[in-house]
Amino acid sequence: AQTVTQSQPEMSVQEAETVTLSCTYDTSESDYYLFWYKQPPSRQMILVIRQEAYKQQNATENRFSVNFQKAAKSFSLKISDSQLGDAAMYFCAYRSARRRRDNYGQNFVFGPGTRLSVLP
Amino acid sequence: DVKVTQSSRYLVKRTGEKVFLECVQDMDHENMFWYRQDPGLGLRLIYFSYDVKMKEKGDIPEGYSVSREKKERFSLILESASTNQTSMYLCASSLGQYLLNTEAFFGQGTRLTVV
Repeated sequence: AQTVTQSQPEMSVQEAETVTLSCTYDTSESDYYLFWYKQPPSRQMILVIRQEAYKQQNATENRFSVNFQKAAKSFSLKISDSQLGDAAMYFCAYRSARRRRDNYGQNFVFGPGTRLSVLP
Repeated sequence: DVKVTQSSRYLVKRTGEKVFLECVQDMDHENMFWYRQDPGLGLRLIYFSYDVKMKEKGDIPEGYSVSREKKERFSLILESASTNQTSMYLCASSLGQYLLNTEAFFGQGTRLTVV
């Protein structure tokens, strides 16, 4: 079974600075998808960024980018120019791309989360 | 936009009660999920439904059951609520085809307190 680890329960960053959140995962598969989700105090989970394992290029979405190291099974999230609205819980997630016998998709495996505080 | 709606944001129930948590999605997604969220443990999968009337146990199914009679609706049932089921419950949905890199879309969560 796959597992996802986030070794930083809490992090803080000064407004306008850059912060990197760590995520590692354990899998024997070669095809999979990785995601970062944000959960603000409103509790609504929002997708921040996604990465396909077969793509070597790191995904980028505006101020958010990832450092995907497949061999190391590492998937860190970098937030540039941090804003107060970035304060939230961040979850790393894994989804296998392995084909099921019934052709349906696999479920998602989440890490324990990192609580990010942004200091004014 | 995909919308996943959970019937309650907050719920207080008594020990031993049968509890129903309802979830509805409006994007014709095959897959639906129920997760439990606890501090330091992240999201743990309770049950996964990959299509109507199809379900699989997740990591922590004990004390829970599910029902999916229609594609858009996925219900989580606590047969006899206990205090250790006090938690945040998150429903999610996604497209089902294995070839698609599709994310999970979440509801707003139900914070359940069992007293």
